Amino acid sequence: KAGVTQTPRYLIKTRGQQVTLSCSPISGHRSVSWYQQTPGQGLQFLFEYFSETQRNKGNFPGRFSGRQFSNSRSEMNVSTLELGDSALYLCASSYLTSGATGELFFGEGSRLTVL
Amino acid sequence: GQNIDQPTEMTATEGAIVQINCTYQTSGFNGLFWYQQHAGEAPTFLSYNVLDGLEEKGRFSSFLSRSKGYSYLLLKELQMKDSASYLCARSQAGTALIFGKGTTLSVSS
Repeated sequence: KAGVTQTPRYLIKTRGQQVTLSCSPISGHRSVSWYQQTPGQGLQFLFEYFSETQRNKGNFPGRFSGRQFSNSRSEMNVSTLELGDSALYLCASSYLTSGATGELFFGEGSRLTVL
Repeated sequence: GQNIDQPTEMTATEGAIVQINCTYQTSGFNGLFWYQQHAGEAPTFLSYNVLDGLEEKGRFSSFLSRSKGYSYLLLKELQMKDSASYLCARSQAGTALIFGKGTTLSVSS
């Protein structure tokens, strides 16, 4: 069974640009969540999607957005990039249904560098 | 991470036992996770506690006290491959987890 797949793995952007990251969850998993990981702040929750609906949102500015497609694949977008957006962006999927809590399966992440 | 406290670094030797503590804010608590993350790799699930007590899984055990807002991860018979970051996380809603900043464990021979 394939794991969570994230693309691209590495990317470099400049301030003011926008970026789109993609995540394919484990087959059969309908819940996808996104996290930002930085050395200073650790892992911080961005948002969670279930059946194409955003279920929870973390404390990030509106420049950060996401969506989920009918096949459960998800994308996140960051517009007007700032230097502080440099981070590892991790996607995680779960087999549990809406409202439940359980194990998250993480992808390898997309490492974004903003120059 | 907000409301989650764990030590930044710990060191230990092969074969030893180490306990990594985690304290968290109890309001809205829905469960406590431990994840392991090797450098450059994705976090992997170790344990999930929702009730008070000790859960044992091979060399790793996790303890929870809901009333005290306290958990610990116990690693026995340490091996070099256990050198990693250990992340404590509390469940907030759905799959939204609040993570601590992680404890970097270094195991030496």
